[in-house]
Amino acid sequence: QVQLQQSGPGLVKPSQTLSLTCAISGDSVSSNSATWNWIRQSPSRGLEWLGRTYYRSKWYNDYEPSVESRITINPDTSKNQFSLQLHSVRPDDTAVYYCARGRSTMIRGLNTPCGFDIWGQGRMVTVSS
Amino acid sequence: DIVMTQSPDSLAVSLGERATINCKSSQSVLYSSNNKNYLAWYQQKPGQPPNLLIYWASTRESGVPDRFSGSGSGTDFTLTISSLQAEDVAVYYCQQYYSTPMYPFGQGTKLEIK
Repeated sequence: QVQLQQSGPGLVKPSQTLSLTCAISGDSVSSNSATWNWIRQSPSRGLEWLGRTYYRSKWYNDYEPSVESRITINPDTSKNQFSLQLHSVRPDDTAVYYCARGRSTMIRGLNTPCGFDIWGQGRMVTVSS
Repeated sequence: DIVMTQSPDSLAVSLGERATINCKSSQSVLYSSNNKNYLAWYQQKPGQPPNLLIYWASTRESGVPDRFSGSGSGTDFTLTISSLQAEDVAVYYCQQYYSTPMYPFGQGTKLEIK
């Protein structure tokens, strides 16, 4: 049974860096059939996909353009986890942050994504001085 | 930017009746190489993360009751609950995962009991 366990501070000061970690059990961050994603949710923005990391013979990252200049997502193979860093945070970065697995399956030799099937429990992060 | 628009924003349906939620993408999410629509539906209950119900627009995730079904292709999609149960009260979201690096969600549809 795959589970994702999130950790990190719930309060960050403006202009500082928000850091969260998502520990994976039951799967591998190096899996060739998964992507590892960060999503946030706030009343003003709704659900917002932020970015992902994944391994396909080498490591790749994709980031949502609106946060691309401030975000870093890194895998940690030694601890089987991945992390989110959001730099220079502002009050409107206040949200519940989720990590999630993007599952995929091979269809006729093509790695075909199936949506986000496993989610972390969520972490409320408030940006305030 | 790709925009996902759901309708209605809220819906009240009697127990045992059909509930229908629509989702429209500003661009097609049909991947021609495998004829799959990269569109998912999620259910979110208060205090919980979203839960995957449907992927490829119409494939039910394992363990999801068969009263939930998805349909549509290209840019227009529908989630149907054939016979509403009390435990189906939730907010429902569609999401496209076709266009890297943007995987937008719809704004959500709140489903209540009439």
